[in-house]
Amino acid sequence: AQKVTQAQTEISVVEKEDVTLDCVYETRDTTYYLFWYKQPPSGELVFLIRRNSFDEQNEISGRYSWNFQKSTSSFNFTITASQVVDSAVYFCALRIGGSARQLTFGSGTQLTVLP
Amino acid sequence: EPEVTQTPSHQVTQMGQEVILRCVPISNHLYFYWYRQILGQKVEFLVSFYNNEISEKSEIFDDQFSVERPDGSNFTLKIRSTKLEDSAMYFCASSTGTGYQETQYFGPGTRLLVL
Repeated sequence: AQKVTQAQTEISVVEKEDVTLDCVYETRDTTYYLFWYKQPPSGELVFLIRRNSFDEQNEISGRYSWNFQKSTSSFNFTITASQVVDSAVYFCALRIGGSARQLTFGSGTQLTVLP
Repeated sequence: EPEVTQTPSHQVTQMGQEVILRCVPISNHLYFYWYRQILGQKVEFLVSFYNNEISEKSEIFDDQFSVERPDGSNFTLKIRSTKLEDSAMYFCASSTGTGYQETQYFGPGTRLLVL
């Protein structure tokens, strides 16, 4: 069975600080996909990034960056120069390869960015 | 940009009543999903639907639940006899079904409250 662990329940930072959200996953499958979703206070789930297990290249998108390390089964998310609008719950999710498509979510990290 | 839509945004019902939650997936997507999120908890997979039949379902998706694609655009989740513990946010999602490039895009959710 798959499992996603987000050990940080809540993080609070002051605006302009950098913050890293941790995600550790467990799966026996060699092909899998990792995702990050953002849930702002309005409640919707917003897709941020997908990473395939065969692509360990790290990615940067503006102030966001993701560090995928298969050796430690981690897929961490860093926000550089955080802003108040980054305040949200962030979920890491895992999908195994093949015909199964269900996403297994972590418990989420509540990020609060203070002005 | 195409998006998944859901109606209603909020629904209040009495225990034992039937509810139908509606979703319009992104038009060229082939896979449809329902997830739920009990307040303050992680997002949980309920069911996936492809080619007019259920392709996967979780233990949560028991005989009280059913899904249907009644026409070419809508995708519905029916709860036959609601229980207090069905109170949650229900998210619909859709994806293209293309495999490793695939991402599930979520609707804004329906908040269901069972009294």
